[in-house]
Amino acid sequence: GENVEQHPSTLSVQEGDSAVIKCTYSDSASNYFPWYKQELGKRPQLIIDIRSNVGEKKDQRIAVTLNKTAKHFSLHITETQPEDSAVYFCAPGGTSYGKLTFGQGTILTVHP
Amino acid sequence: DVKVTQSSRYLVKRTGEKVFLECVQDMDHENMFWYRQDPGLGLRLIYFSYDVKMKEKGDIPEGYSVSREKKERFSLILESASTNQTSMYLCASRSSSETQYFGPGTRLLVL
Repeated sequence: GENVEQHPSTLSVQEGDSAVIKCTYSDSASNYFPWYKQELGKRPQLIIDIRSNVGEKKDQRIAVTLNKTAKHFSLHITETQPEDSAVYFCAPGGTSYGKLTFGQGTILTVHP
Repeated sequence: DVKVTQSSRYLVKRTGEKVFLECVQDMDHENMFWYRQDPGLGLRLIYFSYDVKMKEKGDIPEGYSVSREKKERFSLILESASTNQTSMYLCASRSSSETQYFGPGTRLLVL
């Protein structure tokens, strides 16, 4: 099965700084690379995703970059705000009935 | 708006009891999933279903079974609850664009 690792496991930044979370995966057949955000006490929600035919995708302050050769993809958040504080999960997949394999999560804390 | 609901937000059960967790989605999605979430371990897939009456084991199926009799409803069954099944259980359904929509979760405590 797919092995997924996320780094770092915790990340603390000052408001306005950038944050980067990296996800490595093992299955070279994976072709779909989403990031989910889970705020405290809430359900995970998709914030951005990328497919294997694209190297980078941006949506306002967030972006995802993919290096398929090296089998990793990263979440970039610029101009961080306190409301970005949450747990972020990568979840590569797309090969079998939409099955995703979630990373262990990164706790991001943005200090005002 | 996609709506995924779960039958209970909190449950307390005794060791050995049979436990049913139910999930309902209203978007006619083919694929549905059950995960458990534990601190530091992320979301781990227990079972998934790609059609009515069709199911596949995920990464941690031991001690669990599932039922999908209707397209909108996917049930997780703990045949004989044990303390190591104390966890947060999340259901999800998948759209044609690959996005998984999650329910609010059921926090299960097995005493």
